[in-house]
Amino acid sequence: GQNIDQPTEMTATEGAIVQINCTYQTSGFNGLFWYQQHAGEAPTFLSYNVLDGLEEKGRFSSFLSRSKGYSYLLLKELQMKDSASYLCAPYSGGYQKVTFGTGTKLQVIP
Amino acid sequence: NAGVTQTPKFQVLKTGQSMTLQCAQDMNHEYMSWYRQDPGMGLRLIHYSVGAGITDQGEVPNGYNVSRSTTEDFPLRLLSAAPSQTSVYFCASSYSSLDSRRYTFGSGTRLTVV
Repeated sequence: GQNIDQPTEMTATEGAIVQINCTYQTSGFNGLFWYQQHAGEAPTFLSYNVLDGLEEKGRFSSFLSRSKGYSYLLLKELQMKDSASYLCAPYSGGYQKVTFGTGTKLQVIP
Repeated sequence: NAGVTQTPKFQVLKTGQSMTLQCAQDMNHEYMSWYRQDPGMGLRLIHYSVGAGITDQGEVPNGYNVSRSTTEDFPLRLLSAAPSQTSVYFCASSYSSLDSRRYTFGSGTRLTVV
């Protein structure tokens, strides 16, 4: 099985930087997804890390350390529209091995 | 390109009723799956399919049936609705490559069982 731990809620100020952490324990590991989910909407893909290190994509970056079972999502220059839940999802391979965390609800305030 | 289309968006059922949640995708994705999302529980896999004619159970399959007669469609059937099945249901699809599982999700079906 998989255990995934991420903070339940976070608050950050518009224009600031926020880091959302995720720790996981898996019985096998292929990579880790981050999804964004606005309230009342479907999740949308943000990033997928396979190797250790930082992957940057515009204002969003995602980091992975496989040896530590640790990932984080970094959001820069926060905008009000970034208020959403962010789901950490380790992937251990196979057809049913993506496991979603319960998500971190981020509130961006003016 | 419509992506993944789910119908209906909202549904209220009485305990014991049956119904089918529809899911269709136009991206030629081999892999399709159904998740339910409950507060504090995250997304949980109900059933999945790796191609037409092939389905298998996920983490929480009890009370649900699926079939995959075509690549495009993957309906989810509730056999006898129970209040515990009140949830938001998402259909998701992806290519079947085993080194990736980047999903495209449908907009969801909000189901209430009374």
